[in-house]
Amino acid sequence: AQKVTQAQTEISVVEKEDVTLDCVYETRDTTYYLFWYKQPPSGELVFLIRRNSFDEQNEISGRYSWNFQKSTSSFNFTITASQVVDSAVYFCALSEDPWRAPETSGSRLTFGEGTQLTVNP
Amino acid sequence: ETGVTQSPTHLIKTRGQQVTLRCSSQSGHNTVSWYQQALGQGPQFIFQYYREEENGRGNFPPRFSGLQFPNYSSELNVNALELDDSALYLCASSLASGIRFVGYTEAFFGQGTRLTVV
Repeated sequence: AQKVTQAQTEISVVEKEDVTLDCVYETRDTTYYLFWYKQPPSGELVFLIRRNSFDEQNEISGRYSWNFQKSTSSFNFTITASQVVDSAVYFCALSEDPWRAPETSGSRLTFGEGTQLTVNP
Repeated sequence: ETGVTQSPTHLIKTRGQQVTLRCSSQSGHNTVSWYQQALGQGPQFIFQYYREEENGRGNFPPRFSGLQFPNYSSELNVNALELDDSALYLCASSLASGIRFVGYTEAFFGQGTRLTVV
């Protein structure tokens, strides 16, 4: 069975601080995708990033960056120079092996419990 | 906006009643997944529809059922509502190629339907 753990329930920072959200996952699949989604108070889950399990290169996209380490099953997400508009609940998610059931399993997601990020002015 | 729309946005039902929630997928997407998100928790996968057939189901009882129509829109039906069914129900659409080793789009979510069972 798959499992995603986000140990940080709530994080509060002051604007312009950098903040890292932790994510640890468990899966028996050798191929999978990892995601980060943002959920503002409106409720809609907003896709942020996706990472393939076979590509551990870490990247930066604007103010977002991520650190994927397969050896420790971690997929941490960093927001640089946080802004008040970043305040939301952030979810880490894990897909099933998209090559085992190629039609759709890559879009069946297991989510963590979420981290409430509050950025104060 | 993702192009995924759900209706209604809010709903109040009485325990024991039945409810139908609707989802219009993003244009061109052929796969719809439904999730239940209880207050303060992460979304839980209910089931998924691909080409009008159920294609994967989470740990939910049979009173949770669904449909996908030829235009790829979808319905989630819940019978014999219980108080614990109160949650935000999220629909996500994606495009599956059906071809092994070919990529697919990530799931795009609607704004959800807030169901309250009293």
